[in-house]
Amino acid sequence: KAGVTQTPRYLIKTRGQQVTLSCSPISGHRSVSWYQQTPGQGLQFLFEYFSETQRNKGNFPGRFSGRQFSNSRSEMNVSTLELGDSALYLCASSLEQPYGYTFGSGTRLTVV
Amino acid sequence: TQLLEQSPQFLSIQEGENLTVYCNSSSVFSSLQWYRQEPGEGPVLLVTVVTGGEVKKLKRLTFQFGDARKDSSLHITAAQPGDTGLYLCAGTNTGNQFYFGTGTSLTVIP
Repeated sequence: KAGVTQTPRYLIKTRGQQVTLSCSPISGHRSVSWYQQTPGQGLQFLFEYFSETQRNKGNFPGRFSGRQFSNSRSEMNVSTLELGDSALYLCASSLEQPYGYTFGSGTRLTVV
Repeated sequence: TQLLEQSPQFLSIQEGENLTVYCNSSSVFSSLQWYRQEPGEGPVLLVTVVTGGEVKKLKRLTFQFGDARKDSSLHITAAQPGDTGLYLCAGTNTGNQFYFGTGTSLTVIP
């Protein structure tokens, strides 16, 4: 059974640019969530998509957006990148509660 | 708002020692998970507990969910270097929203 696949693994971007990250969930998982992880802030919830609809949203500015396709694959986009956006971005898929997440390996984004 | 506080934040112990990590909240959760994360990788689910007072064992790891479903603990017996990592607890409630704890960074020295 394939795990959660995130691409790319590493990314270097310049301030002001935009970036799109991709996530393929485990087959059968309709919920896909995105997190930002930094040493100082820990795991911060960005948003969750379920059946192509955003079901939950964290407290991030509008520069962070996402979408989910009919095959449950998801993308997140960050526009007008700032230095503080440098982080490990994690995607996780799940069945409904009480099942936990299966995380991908993450995309390490560095903004210079 | 940080709903789950973990303690200690950092822990460095010798191989063979025992340890306990705590995850506390003032909120009630319908279920709680524990994850372990290694550097540069995503967290890996260790266990899910759903019933107040529930105890689950995974080899040398023992997980307990508090009776009121507000707190949890993770006990490791005879720690090994392979146990090194960041341990995260996460609580869930209605709406499939997860709330992650602040994390405990464990280093087991050979």
